[in-house]
Amino acid sequence: AQSVAQPEDQVNVAEGNPLTVKCTYSVSGNPYLFWYVQYPNRGLQFLLKYITGDNLVKGSYGFEAEFNKSQTSFHLKKPSALVSDSALYFCAVRDGGYGGATNKLIFGTGTLLAVQP
Amino acid sequence: DAGVIQSPRHEVTEMGQEVTLRCKPISGHNSLFWYRQTMMRGLELLIYFNNNVPIDDSGMPEDRFSAKMPNASFSTLKIQPSEPRDSAVYFCASSLGTGLDEQFFGPGTRLTVL
Repeated sequence: AQSVAQPEDQVNVAEGNPLTVKCTYSVSGNPYLFWYVQYPNRGLQFLLKYITGDNLVKGSYGFEAEFNKSQTSFHLKKPSALVSDSALYFCAVRDGGYGGATNKLIFGTGTLLAVQP
Repeated sequence: DAGVIQSPRHEVTEMGQEVTLRCKPISGHNSLFWYRQTMMRGLELLIYFNNNVPIDDSGMPEDRFSAKMPNASFSTLKIQPSEPRDSAVYFCASSLGTGLDEQFFGPGTRLTVL
């Protein structure tokens, strides 16, 4: 069965420093991977996705993620963190399967990013 | 486009009462999803529809929960009777439904059952 893991409940980083939020996955077939962000009292917002092609994916708000097939990881990164980046971040995977992608997303448990000024 | 619209934004009710949550997906989207979010259980998919047809309802907790999508622009999630453990934020999301596209989430309905 497909699954996604976010090993850190919280990540703390100082403003201006680079940040990484980790995600690993387990799927049968080709992985289709997504990152979402949730600000307090809001719904989830799409940041970026990997479907195929270049392993480095660029998304909204200066975020990027690197797909690593050998390590089954899809870590979210940003070169310089902002206080306004503080939020809950979710990694998600959709199993491409052998008959084509389904529409369901399997979400991780979320990582709270706290950026200190 | 206004995005995914949910109503009400907040609902406080007493145990045993019926609760109906409403969702209007983004126009042109063919898939609609209902999620529940709590501190204890995180984000859970309850049910999703493709072209107004329920595809997977394995996440619906029990028979007290039901969902309908009578047309492409409207869906409801009903809880009858409600219980305090149903207190959560309920999100509706929609997507084009190609299997490769992202989901767009509504602002959520915060349900409190006393």
